[in-house]
Amino acid sequence: AQKITQTQPGMFVQEKEAVTLDCTYDTSDPSYGLFWYKQPSSGEMIFLIYQGSYDQQNATEGRYSLNFQKARKSANLVISASQLGDSAMYFCAMREQNSNTGKLIFGQGTTLQVKP
Amino acid sequence: DTGVSQDPRHKITKRGQNVTFRCDPISEHNRLYWYRQTLGQGPEFLTYFQNEAQLEKSRLLSDRFSAERPKGSFSTLEIQRTEQGDSAMYLCASKREANTGELFFGEGSRLTVL
Repeated sequence: AQKITQTQPGMFVQEKEAVTLDCTYDTSDPSYGLFWYKQPSSGEMIFLIYQGSYDQQNATEGRYSLNFQKARKSANLVISASQLGDSAMYFCAMREQNSNTGKLIFGQGTTLQVKP
Repeated sequence: DTGVSQDPRHKITKRGQNVTFRCDPISEHNRLYWYRQTLGQGPEFLTYFQNEAQLEKSRLLSDRFSAERPKGSFSTLEIQRTEQGDSAMYLCASKREANTGELFFGEGSRLTVL
């Protein structure tokens, strides 16, 4: 069964520093997609970055990059130059392509606090 | 605003009452998803629609829960005889195709059952 694990309930980072949020996954589907979402206190889930299982290069989107290690089944999110507005909950999620449902399975989340 | 919208944003009800949430997806999206999120946890999948057809229901969706998308546009999620354990954020999301692109989420409907 597919599963997403985020082992860091909470993380602190100093403003302007980089931070890595961990995510491991488990799936038997050879084709899948990995996502990261940000959820501020307002509640809306904001899409950050996507990595396909067959993508050769790690995904990057501005200050966000995904450290994809397929053999280890990990998809860690790296946020560079942290800003106070990055304080939020972050969720890793996976979509199995073969199910054709399009649904995402989410991890438990990591709360990130950026300190000034 | 052309994003996913949900109504109401907050609902407080007494145990045993029925509640209904509405979701208006992005207009060209034929897939619509409902998730439930309890405090400090990740969203959990409840059900999804392709157009008006409800194609999958999670075991989390007990008999007291029913979801509809009658014309393939907006959707409703009804909870009958609410229980305190139903207190959660109910998130709606939509997308155009199954295996491309991300889910676009609404801001959620927060339910508190007293």
